[in-house]
Amino acid sequence: GESVGLHLPTLSVQEGDNSIINCAYSNSASDYFIWYKQESGKGPQFIIDIRSNMDKRQGQRVTVLLNKTVKHLSLQIAATQPGDSAVYFCAENLGYGGATNKLIFGTGTLLAVQP
Amino acid sequence: DSGVTQTPKHLITATGQRVTLRCSPRSGDLSVYWYQQSLDQGLQFLIQYYNGEERAKGNILERFSAQQFPDLHSELNLSSLELGDSALYFCASSVGVGYEQYFGPGTRLTVT
Repeated sequence: GESVGLHLPTLSVQEGDNSIINCAYSNSASDYFIWYKQESGKGPQFIIDIRSNMDKRQGQRVTVLLNKTVKHLSLQIAATQPGDSAVYFCAENLGYGGATNKLIFGTGTLLAVQP
Repeated sequence: DSGVTQTPKHLITATGQRVTLRCSPRSGDLSVYWYQQSLDQGLQFLIQYYNGEERAKGNILERFSAQQFPDLHSELNLSSLELGDSALYFCASSVGVGYEQYFGPGTRLTVT
């Protein structure tokens, strides 16, 4: 039969506005988290990461917030631009500090920036 | 450009066949990972190698196998292919365990 594609949540914003993309992770033992951006036809591109001993980390135009109490991660993009349009994935790492580095990806959020 | 290279870019083959996907990690990276991205399953971790040794296994079928060679490049072998194996296959690399992974452009596999 025909496969049913994943239904991606979509965030639509106006150019210049700030965007907030949320992610709930599943494993309380995860200690390292990464946000990736994937444009159509390309591989995931690293944006920013955060370790579990932090609750906030800033990059260029991006900020990641980590709330371990409720297992929630968010990505804030300031002054969103049309080039930011893509699918954004959060990933939790199982195994940091040990011998493995297994990333578990969320389903992704489609960010659509309206000019 | 992440520095991770994958070949081929596209692959079309028939059910029952076997294919090999190749990945070269970024210069200096010792760890290689394989992921499968399909429409109905999202991005799924398959397997990790570190400096030639298998370190972690995810949802990898028994029909699939991988290895990392002394020059650190890696190959993913897919055999007895089924229609459901059609997907994008990504390779990623990192300098070591617990560091960000950089993804290649992927190989799009179509099984007909």
